[in-house]
Amino acid sequence: AQSVAQPEDQVNVAEGNPLTVKCTYSVSGNPYLFWYVQYPNRGLQFLLKYITGDNLVKGSYGFEAEFNKSQTSFHLKKPSALVSDSALYFCAVRAPLFNDYKLSFGAGTTVTVRA
Amino acid sequence: DTAVSQTPKYLVTQMGNDKSIKCEQNLGHDTMYWYKQDSKKFLKIMFSYNNKELIINETVPNRFSPKSPDKAHLNLHINSLELGDSAVYFCASSQDYGWGLSNPGTSGRPAYEQYFGPGTRLTVT
Repeated sequence: AQSVAQPEDQVNVAEGNPLTVKCTYSVSGNPYLFWYVQYPNRGLQFLLKYITGDNLVKGSYGFEAEFNKSQTSFHLKKPSALVSDSALYFCAVRAPLFNDYKLSFGAGTTVTVRA
Repeated sequence: DTAVSQTPKYLVTQMGNDKSIKCEQNLGHDTMYWYKQDSKKFLKIMFSYNNKELIINETVPNRFSPKSPDKAHLNLHINSLELGDSAVYFCASSQDYGWGLSNPGTSGRPAYEQYFGPGTRLTVT
């Protein structure tokens, strides 16, 4: 069975500093990996994904993530955080199986960026 | 021009009642989902339909019954509501091409991100 771990419940950074949100996964085969962000009282918004190709993927709002197969990780990064980046971030994994649509989410990491 | 919409946004009802939540997507996607987000923000898949066919049916009480009248709609009906059903329910959709139909440069495997609706906050009293 596939699973995702987000080891930090909360991440606090100062505006302008680098932001990293950690994610490790477990799945059979090469994973499909996703990051989503949820603002208060809103639905999830897609940020970026890794399917194949370059290990460094770039997404919305200046976010990027690096796929590391040996460490089974897919950490989300932003070089310079903004106060508006404060939100709940979810990492998700999907197995690379034909017609396997199930997306498994991590427990989420709350990011707080202080001014 | 909302991509994935849900109605109602808020639903307050008493135990034992029956209620429905509706979802519509105008993205032309072929797969739709229902998720439950509990008070600790944990997200769990409940159901998924691909081209009106049920493809994911997680361990959910049979009081929950999804229905997909067409590719663009997925409704969730809940019978005999219980206190533990209180949560935020999210609808989502994605486009999953079949094997061999892929974007150039990919491995040929289907894999598409899901787009979520705004959620329906269900409170059972």
